[in-house]
Amino acid sequence: GENVEQHPSTLSVQEGDSAVIKCTYSDSASNYFPWYKQELGKGPQLIIDIRSNVGEKKDQRIAVTLNKTAKHFSLHITETQPEDSAVYFCAASRDNYGQNFVFGPGTRLSVLP
Amino acid sequence: KAGVTQTPRYLIKTRGQQVTLSCSPISGHRSVSWYQQTPGQGLQFLFEYFSETQRNKGNFPGRFSGRQFSNSRSEMNVSTLELGDSALYLCASSPRAGGKNTEAFFGQGTRLTVV
Repeated sequence: GENVEQHPSTLSVQEGDSAVIKCTYSDSASNYFPWYKQELGKGPQLIIDIRSNVGEKKDQRIAVTLNKTAKHFSLHITETQPEDSAVYFCAASRDNYGQNFVFGPGTRLSVLP
Repeated sequence: KAGVTQTPRYLIKTRGQQVTLSCSPISGHRSVSWYQQTPGQGLQFLFEYFSETQRNKGNFPGRFSGRQFSNSRSEMNVSTLELGDSALYLCASSPRAGGKNTEAFFGQGTRLTVV
């Protein structure tokens, strides 16, 4: 089955700097890759997603890149703000398996003011 | 548009008991998935329901079950609770149109503690 690895497990950046989180997946048939942000005491919140027919997607300060050949995808956050501090999860899934997301172990991002 | 609602938010049960958790998806969403979140195992898929049918199931014992009603609301049940079942149980709602995976919106979860 699918296996998703995520690095780093913790990341501290200064406010205004960029943050990059990387994930690799094992199932070459996976074709939908969402990223979630989870704040303390809350459920995960979708921040951006990408399908396998697209190499990059951007939404304001957040971007995701996908390399299908290498089976890895990355989350880029620019101009980080203290409110970006949270745990971030990547996930992978394939359409014919339904909404069965395999999540990475998470990255705890701390943005220092 | 109201988000995903999970009830109750917190639950304390004794080993051996059974528990039922409820999830109301976003209006119009027909897919409801359940996940277990623990510090050691992270987020793990339990099962997905679509139009009242279980479409997929994760690697959990048969003590974990669920169902979906005609209004898309879903319940999950855990029987014969074990200490290791203590976790945050999350429900995710998706439109899942056209046979393609789509964005999933999570509720705040039910925190289950088994003592």
